[in-house]
Amino acid sequence: LAKTTQPISMDSYEGQEVNITCSHNNIATNDYITWYQQFPSQGPRFIIQGYKTKVTNEVASLFIPADRKSSTLSLPRVSLSDTAVYYCLVGDMEDTGRRALTFGSGTRLQVQP
Amino acid sequence: DSGVTQTPKHLITATGQRVTLRCSPRSGDLSVYWYQQSLDQGLQFLIQYYNGEERAKGNILERFSAQQFPDLHSELNLSSLELGDSALYFCASSVGTGGYSGNTIYFGEGSWLTVV
Repeated sequence: LAKTTQPISMDSYEGQEVNITCSHNNIATNDYITWYQQFPSQGPRFIIQGYKTKVTNEVASLFIPADRKSSTLSLPRVSLSDTAVYYCLVGDMEDTGRRALTFGSGTRLQVQP
Repeated sequence: DSGVTQTPKHLITATGQRVTLRCSPRSGDLSVYWYQQSLDQGLQFLIQYYNGEERAKGNILERFSAQQFPDLHSELNLSSLELGDSALYFCASSVGTGGYSGNTIYFGEGSWLTVV
């Protein structure tokens, strides 16, 4: 089964750039990579999605190398309110051949003042 | 507000009982997904429906079942409840068949289930 691997936790300070990498060695040809942010007791919130190269929106950038076996979420100039768990999501092929959508364990980002 | 509506927001029930969680997807979304998140745990994919048909199945217990109705709302039925079923259950929706086709998946705020 395809799996994603992320660091369990990261620490940063306000104003710094934070890069969180997700490994997805078995990513399928049609899979997109999506990153979500989750605050305690809330539903995950969409941050950014990409297929290859670089994608940028108003809150983050997503870097995907040519082999697509990993991706890096970049958060510029983080603030205290960016303290959350960040998940990367890619499609996951089940044994039955049907696709499933499996989140990784997530990265707990703690931003310090 | 993601546009995905889940009810009830909180539910307390006893072991052995059965509950139904309801989800209304965003307007226009055809896919509905159900996820379970236990305390301090990650998101466990349970099941996905697309336009009324089961599309993908994750680690859903046999005691759990789901369906998507013609109006596209979905229900997750949890039966013979055990203490370990206490968790936050999320519903999500997307226009198409999910993250592997470029469609964004939007999550609701979850239904808190406590089994006592």
